[in-house]
Amino acid sequence: DQQVKQNSPSLSVQEGRISILNCDYTNSMFDYFLWYKKYPAEGPTFLISISSIKDKNEDGRFTVFLNKSAKHLSLHIVPSQPGDSAVYFCAAREGGSQGNLIFGKGTKLSVKP
Amino acid sequence: DTAVSQTPKYLVTQMGNDKSIKCEQNLGHDTMYWYKQDSKKFLKIMFSYNNKELIINETVPNRFSPKSPDKAHLNLHINSLELGDSAVYFCASSQAPAGFGGLFFGEGSRLTVL
Repeated sequence: DQQVKQNSPSLSVQEGRISILNCDYTNSMFDYFLWYKKYPAEGPTFLISISSIKDKNEDGRFTVFLNKSAKHLSLHIVPSQPGDSAVYFCAAREGGSQGNLIFGKGTKLSVKP
Repeated sequence: DTAVSQTPKYLVTQMGNDKSIKCEQNLGHDTMYWYKQDSKKFLKIMFSYNNKELIINETVPNRFSPKSPDKAHLNLHINSLELGDSAVYFCASSQAPAGFGGLFFGEGSRLTVL
């Protein structure tokens, strides 16, 4: 039973446009959400995070939005660049846990020049 | 100067064999993890160690045994390998057990069991 869902396995976007990656979760005890980026043959790298007490966190071209009532978060990348092409994983942490992050299956983003 | 390094990166072996994957981090982090990415691409935690002590042990067969000789190392031993063990295994570390600030992952070790 997936607690973190990324329903779009892939997304293709033109360079310069906005990329929006979506993530849904089911566990209301999650208190912290993270996005990871993964290139082929490399480990995931931390991108951006958001606490459940916030609804937005911005870091350069990357913004994460959290809608707790809908149990939904999204990652916006604007403007998208070809180097952003990678698999993006959404992850969530259950409050009070020892750090177990629950990951989604990932969305493969392709940014075309 | 890799922050989290795993060896070997690729491992092909026969069913029934015993193998180990080593992990080292030079970030000074207190907590280390092993994650498994299976054929369905899910990343699932297997173990977590904080200062050499086991703090998370998900439902993993007893054939998998982590060993942490010091807080910079967390090795994974797998006995009696089975076909279903084929996966990519990622080591990771974090500053605190809660994983705030994110986990730092190694490049992964692709295990193929024939």
